[in-house]
Amino acid sequence: GQQLNQSPQSMFIQEGEDVSMNCTSSSIFNTWLWYKQDPGEGPVLLIALYKAGELTSNGRLTAQFGITRKDSFLNISASIPSDVGIYFCAGSESGAGSYQLTFGKGTKLSVIP
Amino acid sequence: DAGVIQSPRHEVTEMGQEVTLRCKPISGHNSLFWYRQTMMRGLELLIYFNNNVPIDDSGMPEDRFSAKMPNASFSTLKIQPSEPRDSAVYFCASSLWGMETQYFGPGTRLLVL
Repeated sequence: GQQLNQSPQSMFIQEGEDVSMNCTSSSIFNTWLWYKQDPGEGPVLLIALYKAGELTSNGRLTAQFGITRKDSFLNISASIPSDVGIYFCAGSESGAGSYQLTFGKGTKLSVIP
Repeated sequence: DAGVIQSPRHEVTEMGQEVTLRCKPISGHNSLFWYRQTMMRGLELLIYFNNNVPIDDSGMPEDRFSAKMPNASFSTLKIQPSEPRDSAVYFCASSLWGMETQYFGPGTRLLVL
Protein backbone atom coordinates (compact mmCIF):
# COMPACT_ATOMS: atom_id res chain seq x y z
CA GLY A 1 0.00 0.00 0.00
CA GLN A 2 0.91 3.65 -0.04
CA GLN A 3 3.57 4.93 2.30
CA LEU A 4 3.63 8.49 3.57
CA ASN A 5 6.78 9.91 5.10
CA GLN A 6 6.19 13.04 7.13
CA SER A 7 9.00 15.16 8.47
CA PRO A 8 10.15 16.36 10.82
CA GLN A 9 8.67 14.14 13.52
CA SER A 10 8.83 16.98 16.03
CA MET A 11 9.82 20.62 16.18
CA PHE A 12 10.57 23.06 18.95
CA ILE A 13 10.43 26.66 17.79
CA GLN A 14 10.35 30.13 19.25
CA GLU A 15 7.13 32.10 19.09
CA GLY A 16 7.16 34.28 15.99
CA GLU A 17 9.27 31.91 13.91
CA ASP A 18 8.11 30.35 10.66
CA VAL A 19 7.58 26.59 10.43
CA SER A 20 7.86 24.18 7.52
CA MET A 21 6.94 20.54 7.33
CA ASN A 22 6.46 18.14 4.45
CA CYS A 23 5.17 14.80 3.32
CA THR A 24 6.34 12.52 0.58
CA SER A 25 4.60 9.46 -0.79
CA SER A 26 5.67 6.37 -2.64
CA SER A 27 2.85 6.80 -5.12
CA ILE A 28 0.94 9.55 -6.88
CA PHE A 29 -1.91 11.20 -5.00
CA ASN A 30 -4.82 13.15 -6.46
CA THR A 31 -5.59 14.95 -3.22
CA TRP A 32 -3.51 16.18 -0.32
CA LEU A 33 -5.00 17.25 3.00
CA TRP A 34 -3.47 18.78 6.09
CA TYR A 35 -5.00 18.29 9.54
CA LYS A 36 -4.16 19.55 13.01
CA GLN A 37 -4.85 17.56 16.16
CA ASP A 38 -5.00 19.22 19.56
CA PRO A 39 -4.49 17.09 22.69
CA GLY A 40 -7.58 15.07 23.49
CA GLU A 41 -9.37 16.02 20.28
CA GLY A 42 -9.86 14.67 16.79
CA PRO A 43 -7.96 15.91 13.73
CA VAL A 44 -9.33 19.13 12.28
CA LEU A 45 -9.03 19.87 8.58
CA LEU A 46 -6.80 22.85 7.83
CA ILE A 47 -6.25 22.86 4.08
CA ALA A 48 -7.28 20.68 1.13
CA LEU A 49 -5.33 20.56 -2.14
CA TYR A 50 -6.72 19.04 -5.32
CA LYS A 51 -4.37 20.01 -8.14
CA ALA A 52 -0.67 19.54 -8.77
CA GLY A 53 1.16 22.81 -8.17
CA GLU A 54 -1.72 24.28 -6.21
CA LEU A 55 -0.80 26.72 -3.46
CA THR A 56 -3.51 27.42 -0.88
CA SER A 57 -3.53 29.63 2.19
CA ASN A 58 -5.63 29.63 5.33
CA GLY A 59 -4.62 32.58 7.46
CA ARG A 60 -1.01 32.10 8.49
CA LEU A 61 -0.96 28.61 6.99
CA THR A 62 0.10 27.89 3.42
CA ALA A 63 0.18 24.48 1.80
CA GLN A 64 1.36 23.34 -1.60
CA PHE A 65 0.59 20.30 -3.73
CA GLY A 66 3.91 19.22 -5.24
CA ILE A 67 4.14 19.15 -9.02
CA THR A 68 5.28 15.52 -8.97
CA ARG A 69 2.04 14.72 -7.07
CA LYS A 70 4.14 12.74 -4.61
CA ASP A 71 4.70 15.46 -2.05
CA SER A 72 3.12 18.31 -0.17
CA PHE A 73 4.35 21.08 2.10
CA LEU A 74 2.81 23.05 4.95
CA ASN A 75 4.20 26.35 6.16
CA ILE A 76 3.11 28.30 9.22
CA SER A 77 4.22 31.90 9.43
CA ALA A 78 4.79 33.87 12.61
CA SER A 79 3.96 30.99 14.95
CA ILE A 80 1.93 31.59 18.10
CA PRO A 81 1.41 29.39 21.18
CA SER A 82 -1.96 28.07 19.96
CA ASP A 83 -0.21 26.52 16.95
CA VAL A 84 0.98 23.79 19.31
CA GLY A 85 -0.32 20.38 18.30
CA ILE A 86 0.27 17.52 15.91
CA TYR A 87 -0.01 18.21 12.20
CA PHE A 88 -0.90 15.36 9.87
CA CYS A 89 -0.71 15.13 6.13
CA ALA A 90 -3.09 12.80 4.31
CA GLY A 91 -3.36 11.78 0.70
CA SER A 92 -5.87 10.05 -1.48
CA GLU A 93 -5.64 8.09 -4.72
CA SER A 94 -9.24 8.89 -5.44
CA GLY A 95 -8.81 8.12 -9.10
CA ALA A 96 -8.85 4.47 -8.16
CA GLY A 97 -12.51 4.78 -7.19
CA SER A 98 -11.74 4.79 -3.52
CA TYR A 99 -11.75 7.81 -1.25
CA GLN A 100 -9.62 6.35 1.47
CA LEU A 101 -6.99 8.56 3.03
CA THR A 102 -3.47 7.51 3.92
CA PHE A 103 -2.08 9.48 6.86
CA GLY A 104 1.45 10.49 7.75
CA LYS A 105 2.71 9.81 11.27
CA GLY A 106 2.46 13.49 12.18
CA THR A 107 4.70 16.41 13.08
CA LYS A 108 4.50 17.44 16.72
CA LEU A 109 4.94 21.19 17.02
CA SER A 110 5.95 22.89 20.25
CA VAL A 111 6.08 26.67 20.43
CA ILE A 112 8.20 28.33 23.10
CA PRO A 113 6.72 31.66 24.19
CA ASP B 1 -23.85 22.85 12.70
CA ALA B 2 -23.11 19.75 14.72
CA GLY B 3 -19.99 17.91 13.78
CA VAL B 4 -19.36 14.20 14.08
CA ILE B 5 -20.52 12.97 17.47
CA GLN B 6 -18.91 10.05 19.24
CA SER B 7 -19.76 8.34 22.49
CA PRO B 8 -18.52 7.55 24.98
CA ARG B 9 -15.54 9.92 25.07
CA HIS B 10 -13.71 7.65 27.49
CA GLU B 11 -14.10 3.96 28.22
CA VAL B 12 -12.24 1.85 30.74
CA THR B 13 -13.01 -1.85 30.75
CA GLU B 14 -11.54 -5.15 31.75
CA MET B 15 -10.10 -7.69 29.37
CA GLY B 16 -12.76 -9.98 27.99
CA GLN B 17 -15.58 -7.47 28.21
CA GLU B 18 -17.57 -6.27 25.23
CA VAL B 19 -17.04 -2.67 24.16
CA THR B 20 -19.37 -0.71 21.90
CA LEU B 21 -18.37 2.62 20.41
CA ARG B 22 -20.95 4.86 18.78
CA CYS B 23 -20.84 7.48 16.05
CA LYS B 24 -23.27 9.94 14.52
CA PRO B 25 -21.94 11.39 11.27
CA ILE B 26 -22.54 14.89 10.00
CA SER B 27 -26.06 15.17 8.64
CA GLY B 28 -26.08 14.68 4.87
CA HIS B 29 -22.74 12.88 4.74
CA ASN B 30 -23.01 9.45 3.17
CA SER B 31 -19.56 8.03 3.88
CA LEU B 32 -18.38 7.01 7.33
CA PHE B 33 -14.93 5.88 8.42
CA TRP B 34 -13.64 4.23 11.60
CA TYR B 35 -9.99 4.80 12.54
CA ARG B 36 -7.75 3.68 15.37
CA GLN B 37 -4.89 5.85 16.60
CA THR B 38 -1.91 4.62 18.61
CA MET B 39 1.50 6.07 19.24
CA MET B 40 3.19 3.19 17.47
CA ARG B 41 1.03 2.89 14.37
CA GLY B 42 -0.52 6.34 14.00
CA LEU B 43 -3.94 6.60 12.36
CA GLU B 44 -5.15 3.35 10.85
CA LEU B 45 -8.33 2.96 8.83
CA LEU B 46 -10.39 0.07 10.16
CA ILE B 47 -13.48 0.11 7.96
CA TYR B 48 -15.55 2.49 5.91
CA PHE B 49 -19.15 2.64 4.75
CA ASN B 50 -20.81 4.28 1.79
CA ASN B 51 -24.57 4.74 1.96
CA ASN B 52 -24.63 2.46 5.04
CA VAL B 53 -22.92 -0.39 3.18
CA PRO B 54 -19.47 -1.58 4.29
CA ILE B 55 -17.07 -1.02 1.40
CA ASP B 56 -13.72 -2.06 2.80
CA ASP B 57 -13.11 -3.77 6.12
CA SER B 58 -9.60 -4.97 5.37
CA GLY B 59 -8.26 -2.81 8.19
CA MET B 60 -10.30 -4.57 10.85
CA PRO B 61 -7.64 -6.32 12.91
CA GLU B 62 -9.48 -9.47 13.94
CA ASP B 63 -12.83 -11.16 14.10
CA ARG B 64 -13.21 -9.66 17.53
CA PHE B 65 -13.94 -6.36 15.79
CA SER B 66 -17.23 -5.70 14.03
CA ALA B 67 -18.93 -2.57 12.72
CA LYS B 68 -22.47 -1.79 11.66
CA MET B 69 -24.30 1.12 10.14
CA PRO B 70 -28.02 0.45 10.46
CA ASN B 71 -28.97 3.87 9.11
CA ALA B 72 -27.46 7.04 7.72
CA SER B 73 -27.15 8.70 11.11
CA PHE B 74 -25.66 5.98 13.29
CA SER B 75 -22.78 3.53 13.35
CA THR B 76 -21.24 1.25 15.95
CA LEU B 77 -17.86 -0.37 16.36
CA LYS B 78 -17.89 -3.37 18.66
CA ILE B 79 -14.99 -5.25 20.20
CA GLN B 80 -15.81 -8.61 21.73
CA PRO B 81 -13.91 -9.81 23.67
CA SER B 82 -11.66 -6.83 24.34
CA GLU B 83 -7.93 -7.22 24.98
CA PRO B 84 -5.34 -4.83 26.46
CA ARG B 85 -3.74 -4.34 23.04
CA ASP B 86 -7.02 -2.80 21.85
CA SER B 87 -6.31 0.23 24.02
CA ALA B 88 -6.21 3.21 21.69
CA VAL B 89 -8.17 6.23 20.55
CA TYR B 90 -10.92 5.34 18.10
CA PHE B 91 -12.12 8.01 15.70
CA CYS B 92 -15.11 8.20 13.48
CA ALA B 93 -15.05 10.47 10.44
CA SER B 94 -17.61 11.31 7.79
CA SER B 95 -17.61 12.80 4.32
CA LEU B 96 -19.67 13.23 1.21
CA TRP B 97 -19.01 10.37 -1.18
CA GLY B 98 -16.75 11.60 -3.95
CA MET B 99 -15.06 14.08 -1.63
CA GLU B 100 -11.81 13.19 0.04
CA THR B 101 -12.23 15.73 2.84
CA GLN B 102 -13.15 13.82 5.96
CA TYR B 103 -14.38 15.41 9.18
CA PHE B 104 -13.42 13.72 12.41
CA GLY B 105 -15.23 13.28 15.68
CA PRO B 106 -13.53 13.92 19.05
CA GLY B 107 -12.67 10.25 19.50
CA THR B 108 -13.24 7.58 22.13
CA ARG B 109 -10.30 6.85 24.40
CA LEU B 110 -10.40 3.15 25.21
CA LEU B 111 -8.37 1.55 27.95
CA VAL B 112 -8.61 -2.21 28.38
CA LEU B 113 -7.13 -3.43 31.63
